[in-house]
This record gives sequence, C-alpha cells and structure tokens, in this order.
Amino acid sequence: SQQGEEDPQALSIQEGENATMNCSYKTSINNLQWYRQNSGRGLVHLILIRSNEREKHSGRLRVTLDTSKKSSSLLITASRAADTASYFCATKTGNQFYFGTGTSLTVIP
Amino acid sequence: DAMVIQNPRYQVTQFGKPVTLSCSQTLNHNVMYWYQQKSSQAPKLLFHYYDKDFNNEADTPDNFQSRRPNTSFCFLDIRSPGLGDAAMYLCATSRLTGSGTEAFFGQGTRLTVV
Repeated sequence: SQQGEEDPQALSIQEGENATMNCSYKTSINNLQWYRQNSGRGLVHLILIRSNEREKHSGRLRVTLDTSKKSSSLLITASRAADTASYFCATKTGNQFYFGTGTSLTVIP
Repeated sequence: DAMVIQNPRYQVTQFGKPVTLSCSQTLNHNVMYWYQQKSSQAPKLLFHYYDKDFNNEADTPDNFQSRRPNTSFCFLDIRSPGLGDAAMYLCATSRLTGSGTEAFFGQGTRLTVV
C-alpha cells in the first residue's frame, strides 16, 4: 500500500492553541500536499510543499518536510473552532494521489 | 464557478442491486478519480482516468467499474453492492501537467446498502 500514516489519529485543543499533526510516507515524492475534510464533505486542498523545500507558510498554516525521514508536519497556529475537521497528507505518484490515514482535529471554543 | 459536482449526495440501494454514481466537472481537467472512503478512514483510490485511458488500482474489486464518456463526466458503477460497499464515494479531478498539481474534490455521494 502506498498509503501514508498520520499521527495523532485524533487531537483535541482549546481555541487559540496551536495544533500540530505529522505525516509519514513511504515512496519518493515530488511534492507532498495537505488537505482538509469537514465532516461528510469532500476534501479541500490546503497547501503543497515541493521535495526541495523544507518549510512553507500559508496564513496560519506552516508545513515542514524532511525527505530524509520521509515525514512532514502541519502546524495550525491560533486555532479556531472553524478549524475542526480531518486533515490528510497526500503524495502523488504518477497521476495518482494517495492519502494518509488522517488526523481528526477538534477545536473547543 | 468551476467545480466538481457529484450526484446524488445520498444514495440508498438494495443489496445486490446495481447502482451508478455520477460525477461532472467544469474544470476541463484531464484526470478524474474515484475514491472510496469508509468512516474515519483515508480516501482509498479505486481507479482513475487520464483522458480516456482507464487505470485500475490493483486491489480494486471487480465489482467496481467506471465509465468516462467525455471529458466532463465520469460514472462509478457498482455491479452487485454488498453491505461492505457502504461508504462515501468521492470524485476528484486534476490537471495532468506538472508535478505541482492538486486534486479538486466533489462533495461526495454517501452510499447506503440495505
């Protein structure tokens, strides 16, 4: 299976705190992407980091990538209740996107 | 707005009765995907089309078929749904060019098998 793994599986924090989730993957990559999924909905692309990048920022999102360890992390700063969702990392092999197991984030108001 | 649209949002089918889920896109993307997502699990790629070329994942059951009559539409056919096929089915698209492309998802169809 090309599926990656994420940890933690579930994370519950207070509004205003930072949330960090980690992803490990198995294959060589050109880029790694993070997606968000609200309950019962489709996935929405958040951010992409290329294999030659180590860190990338977008608003309250910070992504790091360590290709030697085949791992990535997503940091959401100053979390809000609206950030409550599942977050998935994804790698692309050829035309195919393969998703990690996901982290379910709950932000308590 | 350009988007990926899945119909219906909710589908109930009987055990063993063929069912078809549909997906349309206005993005004019080359590649279309079907994913199966069970509760609290990752989306699992079933197959994808690059234009009209069909690419099946090795572990996709034969019970699942797909058709792409044109660029805009793609269908998922489940020939004989079993209780284990109850899931959210997600359609997605992407451009072919370059490695820095993202996937655009529809809102999904939740399939219930009774």
